[in-house]
Amino acid sequence: EVQLVESGGGLVKPGGSLRLSCAASGFSFANAWMSWARQAPGKGLEWVGRLTSKSNGGTTDYTTPVKGRFTISKDDPKNTLWLQMNSLQIEDTAVYYCFAGEWDSGAYKEFWGQGALVTVSS
Amino acid sequence: EIVMTQSPATLSVSPGERGTLSCRASQSVSSNLAWYQQKPGQAPRLLIYGASTRAAGIPARFSGSGSGTEFILTISSLQSEDFAVYYCQQYNIWPYTFGQGTKLE
Repeated sequence: EVQLVESGGGLVKPGGSLRLSCAASGFSFANAWMSWARQAPGKGLEWVGRLTSKSNGGTTDYTTPVKGRFTISKDDPKNTLWLQMNSLQIEDTAVYYCFAGEWDSGAYKEFWGQGALVTVSS
Repeated sequence: EIVMTQSPATLSVSPGERGTLSCRASQSVSSNLAWYQQKPGQAPRLLIYGASTRAAGIPARFSGSGSGTEFILTISSLQSEDFAVYYCQQYNIWPYTFGQGTKLE
């Protein structure tokens, strides 16, 4: 069974930092492209950033509002993905989802975590 | 960045009816278009990728069509569990972007 479990969410003051973790199991974590998306309260979805698999260069890309402030990394042996968030702003308040994409026998599969709430408020 | 515009914002339909949702891209995304379903309090679920390929486990009543800038998600006969918010998303050019969503009620 595939599982993605986020942790580390909570309340943080503007300008503060927070690190989200995503524990993965049940699929080939090392070969998957891992991503974070977020959803502000009552709003739509925003793709925050992605990390390609090592075989695809292990590169990262970020959406413009978080570039230079957020960093995605992972530890393949530990099957763990992280999102380091620095210089947090009120508009970063959202549920953050980790998700994985992989190709299996010619079909694309995607797995999502349940989300972690990050609240930025003074 | 590519702007994805969905219409209508809300679609009122009855169970058993057909639902047709539209998505327009501000520039061509080829067939690099996905559709997601999201229910309250849940993570999004991938329905369609490549504009028309159903993801694993998605019922055949869901179908996608289109290419370039115009896309359609059709739900042939709505079931009670289909009432949710639907998002289109382009993955042709980074940053990948979502539409604002269509609520099926």
